[in-house]
Formats: sequence, structure tokens, C-alpha cells
Amino acid sequence: DSGVTQTPKHLITATGQRVTLRCSPRSGDLSVYWYQQSLDQGLQFLIQYYNGEERAKGNILERFSAQQFPDLHSELNLSSLELGDSALYFCASSGPGSMNTEAFFGQGTRLTVV
Amino acid sequence: GQQLNQSPQSMFIQEGEDVSMNCTSSSIFNTWLWYKQDPGEGPVLLIALYKAGELTSNGRLTAQFGITRKDSFLNISASIPSDVGIYFCAGPGTGANNLFFGTGTRLTVIP
Repeated sequence: DSGVTQTPKHLITATGQRVTLRCSPRSGDLSVYWYQQSLDQGLQFLIQYYNGEERAKGNILERFSAQQFPDLHSELNLSSLELGDSALYFCASSGPGSMNTEAFFGQGTRLTVV
Repeated sequence: GQQLNQSPQSMFIQEGEDVSMNCTSSSIFNTWLWYKQDPGEGPVLLIALYKAGELTSNGRLTAQFGITRKDSFLNISASIPSDVGIYFCAGPGTGANNLFFGTGTRLTVIP
């Protein structure tokens, strides 16, 4: 158990809908990262938050947004969903330093858009 | 853009054999991390390297931080069936505030 909790584990929704994925980092970690992994693909970095502030942005679509709350949990919002958004979405956390260190991953949320 | 290439892409080996895989970067890294991902699960950190030339072991796994700081190697000795999975290298992305992953090496161990 990495200590990073993601909910829900599975999500099935229709095209055009909006969903929210939730992540609770390991106790004491200030950094949260979001990654997308499509079938048999690598891990694509989406966005990083550190202590509530956006720290780095990767290949995140404009239809996607994220935030990190004062209690350090994070949410990834995906809107106007398309079939191609079906993927595993992982959250990872590290810390407490502001530079990226060893990141620990949650179990992921498997999103299926139908 | 930054690239992290892993080779080989996939490997099929007999149980008991040793395994070697590597990761090369288009830019210099100050940190190399190796992860393993089981199907449908999140990646699990195996080994972290912080210094050029560093050699670190974790059980049957040994990883090295290349002298040029543009590559890293992972070796698995005496493979067992539970070694099956995808192995990813990772390092700091541009701006050093994200973790950038390699393309992965898929390992299959034949009993």
C-alpha cells in the first residue's frame, strides 16, 4: 500500500459528460501529480500541484482541470468527455521538498467513456 | 521535447535467467528512478539513484546511474514469474517540477 488513495477505482460515463477524480496523497506529502495512461501506453504527465499551487503543467487538455485543496487532497476534473479520454488516471504524491523526489502512486481510476 | 527511451521494448525470458534493460535521455538527469507496474495497478518505486556512477541494489534488482548522466540501467538476477510487468525509468522533467517517464520495457517470464 503506497498510502496514496484514489477514488473511484472505476468509472463509466457517456461522451460529453463531466467527471471528477479524487486523490488523497500520502500523509505529509505536499506534491500531487496526475498522469494519464492509455491502453498499453506509457505514463503521460498532466499536471503537478505543490501545497495548493499549480507547479508544472504537461500535456493536459483544456477540457481537463485540477486543483489541490487546503487539506492537500486533489481533484482532476474531466469535461466534455470523448471516447479517446478512456484511460487509467493515476495520482502520485511526493514531498515534502518542492523539487520532485520519489513519487508514490495510487491504484488509479479506470475511466471508460462510452 | 524531452525524450526517455527504454530498450528493449519487450523481453521474453526463461525463469532463472538474468535481465538487463536500459534507459537513455536526450538531456542530463540528476535523478533516475525505476518503477514496476503490474497490470491494472499503479507503478511501484523500485530504486532511486541520485549520483552519476551510483550503483544501488534492492534484492535481486540492481540499477546504475550512467556516468554521462544521460542513461541508466536496471538488472534483475535469477528472474521469477512475479517479475512479470512493465518496468519504467523516470527522471525530472523540464523545469524539474514533474516526473517524466520512459516508454517502458514489458517483461514476460516463462516458467
